[in-house]
Amino acid sequence: GENVEQHPSTLSVQEGDSAVIKCTYSDSASNYFPWYKQELGKGPQLIIDIRSNVGEKKDQRIAVTLNKTAKHFSLHITETQPEDSAVYFCAASIFGGFKTIFGAGTRLFVKA
Amino acid sequence: KAGVTQTPRYLIKTRGQQVTLSCSPISGHRSVSWYQQTPGQGLQFLFEYFSETQRNKGNFPGRFSGRQFSNSRSEMNVSTLELGDSALYLCASSPVSETQYFGPGTRLLVL
Repeated sequence: GENVEQHPSTLSVQEGDSAVIKCTYSDSASNYFPWYKQELGKGPQLIIDIRSNVGEKKDQRIAVTLNKTAKHFSLHITETQPEDSAVYFCAASIFGGFKTIFGAGTRLFVKA
Repeated sequence: KAGVTQTPRYLIKTRGQQVTLSCSPISGHRSVSWYQQTPGQGLQFLFEYFSETQRNKGNFPGRFSGRQFSNSRSEMNVSTLELGDSALYLCASSPVSETQYFGPGTRLLVL
């Protein structure tokens, strides 16, 4: 069935370092891949997304890459700051579809 | 624009009771999805509604149901509550595109 695997489950980095979170999806029809950040006591917030016709997208310190052949996509956060500490979720869906599958989440700790 | 709102924010129920949660989407959004979030299972898709019609449903028992009204507001109902239903229930709305915007969630505790 449809599945999105996310690694690592926990990631601890020093402030200023980079953080990378990786996801793999199973449904080859998936063509939309959003990333969400969830802070304590809040709902997930969209931070960046990518469509399957694009291999990479960047927004300031955040970038996402997509390898359709391998069905992998990754989130890259550069120059991490303590406020980046949160749980990050990757997701996969089909454009125009009615269902989004989420990864299990990565808890990111940024140590000052 | 106001974001997605969910009420109530916190709820305590006992086993066997039923509960109704409410979600008001962002103005103009016609699609509403519901998710259950637990520490062990992550975000699990419950169902999605568009223009009062359920278009997709996740793998949850029939005790979980939902509906959408003509103003796009949505409710979900859980009957005969079980301890395992304790979770954060998230609602997300989206416009024509697939980008979802989440509310703060309703935290349900079943005792």
